[in-house]
Amino acid sequence: DAGVTQSPTHLIKTRGQQVTLRCSPISGHKSVSWYQQVLGQGPQFIFQYYEKEERGRGNFPDRFSARQFPNYSSELNVNALLLGDSALYLCASSLTAWGTEAFFGQGTRLTVV
Amino acid sequence: AQTVTQSQPEMSVQEAETVTLSCTYDTSESDYYLFWYKQPPSRQMILVIRQEAYKQQNATENRFSVNFQKAAKSFSLKISDSQLGDAAMYFCAYKTMGYNNNDMRFGAGTRLTVKP
Repeated sequence: DAGVTQSPTHLIKTRGQQVTLRCSPISGHKSVSWYQQVLGQGPQFIFQYYEKEERGRGNFPDRFSARQFPNYSSELNVNALLLGDSALYLCASSLTAWGTEAFFGQGTRLTVV
Repeated sequence: AQTVTQSQPEMSVQEAETVTLSCTYDTSESDYYLFWYKQPPSRQMILVIRQEAYKQQNATENRFSVNFQKAAKSFSLKISDSQLGDAAMYFCAYKTMGYNNNDMRFGAGTRLTVKP
């Protein structure tokens, strides 16, 4: 079975632009979580979606939004990009929202210039 | 709010030797999960070991074991017989137990170097 896949792997955006990151969970997993990992730090929770509903939101501005589709894949959108949004964005999937086994993708490296 | 602290930004170990990575956390809850994740240069976070707070027995996975001290809120990772492939960033993480738990809290990480 394929693991968690994220696309794109890298991208460069200009300040003020918008970006969409994509995540496909492991087959059968219904929960997707998004994390932001700034260089030199641990991941920080952004969102969790389960069964297409938002189940949790971290301390991020409204410029960050996400959604989950009927096939359980997910998109993370960031509007009005700032230099500080430059980070590795990780997606994790699990069977349920309360599952303890979270599987991570390889992340999307976003650089804002 | 739950916080996770890793006080060792970098550690090094000789191949075949043993190393211990430290982690402390702060919580007022009695039931929770603790994890150690490994992040190699490939960037993918890989689960190394998991501990349920209600279990007194320390978790072990082959060469990896933990020392879970609930009262002290300490959760250290011991790597025995270190191998070159163990070199990576190691993150300690905390997760609330329960239906509505949604996120993991990570420490800042410890970079482990393995010397041949």
